[in-house]
Order: sequence, then C-alpha cells, then structure tokens
Amino acid sequence: QKEVEQDPGPLSVPEGAIVSLNCTYSNSAFQYFMWYRQYSRKGPELLMYTYSSGNKEDGRFTAQVDKSSKYISLFIRDSQPSDSATYLCAMSWNTGFQKLVFGTGTRLLVSP
Amino acid sequence: SQTIHQWPATLVQPVGSPLSLECTVEGTSNPNLYWYRQAAGRGLQLLFYSIGIDQISSEVPQNLSASRPQDRQFILSSKKLLLSDSGFYLCAWSGAERTEAFFGQGTRLTVV
Repeated sequence: QKEVEQDPGPLSVPEGAIVSLNCTYSNSAFQYFMWYRQYSRKGPELLMYTYSSGNKEDGRFTAQVDKSSKYISLFIRDSQPSDSATYLCAMSWNTGFQKLVFGTGTRLLVSP
Repeated sequence: SQTIHQWPATLVQPVGSPLSLECTVEGTSNPNLYWYRQAAGRGLQLLFYSIGIDQISSEVPQNLSASRPQDRQFILSSKKLLLSDSGFYLCAWSGAERTEAFFGQGTRLTVV
C-alpha cells in the first residue's frame, strides 16, 4: 500500500462547477498537508498549506483535512479553464527539514 | 521575495554523454535543497537533498550525483547518461524551519 493514494483522473468538469480533489494516507503521524498545482511541462506550484485537521480557505480554494479518516480534500469553487492542471497532494510529519511524501497527482480538465 | 532558477528547460543528450543541471535560489539563506525526478503517472521521486554546503544525501542508488558548492546552488550531474535517465527533473527548496517546498520550472531531459 502506498503511503499516499490519489486518483489519477482525469476529472472532467464544466466551467463553473465545484471540484473536489482528494487524497488518502496511511501514516497517522502526518501533520502538515499541502496541495500543489502543476501545469503541463512546468514545476509544481504551492497552492495551500495546512496544519493538522480543519479547513483553510484562500479565494476559490478550500483545503480540508480529516485526520481521523486520514483524508484530505481540495475544493475549487467556480472552476475555470485555467484551473486545468494536475493537482498533487503532499504531506509531512513535522516542520523544519522533512522529506515530503507526494501523491501521484490528479489531472483536472475544466471545459468552457 | 524568494525565487528559484533552474536551467536549461529542455535538454537532449546522447547516451554516454555527461550531464550538468544547475539550480540557484535567491532571497533566502541556508535553504534545504532537493532534486526530484518526475515520471509520467508515477509522481515525484526524491533523488537528492541537502541541508547545507557539501552536505548531500542520496535517496536512491543511480547513475546521478549532486553537489552543493555554494549555499544557494545545487547541481545535478552524471558522467555518462543512460536511456533510463530520461525524465523531468525538478529542483526545489524549503526554508530551514519550514516544511513546504517551492519548485523550479523543471528540466525535461531526453537521452537518445
């Protein structure tokens, strides 16, 4: 079993839809959770960074962490064609120097 | 603000030729530095990480090596490239007291 599982997609939605992207993990020691967006042939860009359980909102993006279920989500409201990209989750045990554990990414396609 | 530069963006090299990919970070001191390789559908594989000058750790045995001659410079090298070295290489940095990593734009290496 992989430490972090992420559906590869592609997930296809129409413009304006609410998108839900998810990751599950097996290690209950993870405390720091990140979402990255990666456009084709580009490096990943940090979107959201959260600590422990709860929600964090930034514009159209909401990150949600449920440590009891070992499940994290990224919600995108009013999705736009420019949101079409691969979304990677990442997590770590502690702050300071840590090796991040990444999901394999979910490809999202938002059609106009 | 901090920025990370990685070059070249694209590289085509013959089998058996040497490799040198360079990455520099600006706007921060004593960063943690990382080299990742990303294969399609397989997520990010951590190759090397460094917590200081001349302090390099390798995650997987391979045909590659890394060096950190200056605080904010990280170099990925090979003496003789193999076909299996083809891939998308990403440099990243994180702050000394932080977990989240910030990526460069990547180098797409094709060994022919």
